[in-house]
Amino acid sequence: DVKVTQSSRYLVKRTGEKVFLECVQDMDHENMFWYRQDPGLGLRLIYFSYDVKMKEKGDIPEGYSVSREKKERFSLILESASTNQTSMYLCATQTGQGNYGYTFGSGTRLTVV
Amino acid sequence: QKEVEQNSGPLSVPEGAIASLNCTYSDRGSQSFFWYRQYSGKSPELIMSIYSNGDKEDGRFTAQLNKASQYVSLLIRDSQPSDSATYLCAVNRGRDDKIIFGKGTRLHILP
Repeated sequence: DVKVTQSSRYLVKRTGEKVFLECVQDMDHENMFWYRQDPGLGLRLIYFSYDVKMKEKGDIPEGYSVSREKKERFSLILESASTNQTSMYLCATQTGQGNYGYTFGSGTRLTVV
Repeated sequence: QKEVEQNSGPLSVPEGAIASLNCTYSDRGSQSFFWYRQYSGKSPELIMSIYSNGDKEDGRFTAQLNKASQYVSLLIRDSQPSDSATYLCAVNRGRDDKIIFGKGTRLHILP
């Protein structure tokens, strides 16, 4: 089974802080994604990457950036955290071979105060 | 029109009965369809994938796809209290192959 590990389960940060959310996968999947999930809004795609050093904006990239220096690691960066970025953040991976479903990490519940 | 639509529920089903969850999608170019289960406070877990018209069965779960009607459903037979969760329908978007998620249907199995 693919294991997708997110570094923190719960995180509390102050407004204006730079926040790093880490995601590591162990199955050599090419595609990695960052979503946020909010009640009533569902899952929304922030950024994704199909290869090392490659990144593309999703539907709501504002206020976020990403880094993928190694195939197994995809980091989400909140440049200056704001209270409206309080959310559940979910990392997902997908094999690049064929259109298969995603495997999600356990999620990071981020609270910005 | 929303890309993937689901009734938010809650859908209440007696234990042992069949739970039927429905989903419609707007992109006729979609080719891949998925059902995820999400327990409260947990991340989504892939439970079914379906790629061609008809039914696909896996244990107590059956996914049904009708591309002409742009309709996907999930049947859960012999519903158990452990099936109580939110079920997310997901569809790949034809124009860019991204997977788009519905907002989910909350299912409650009554003991």
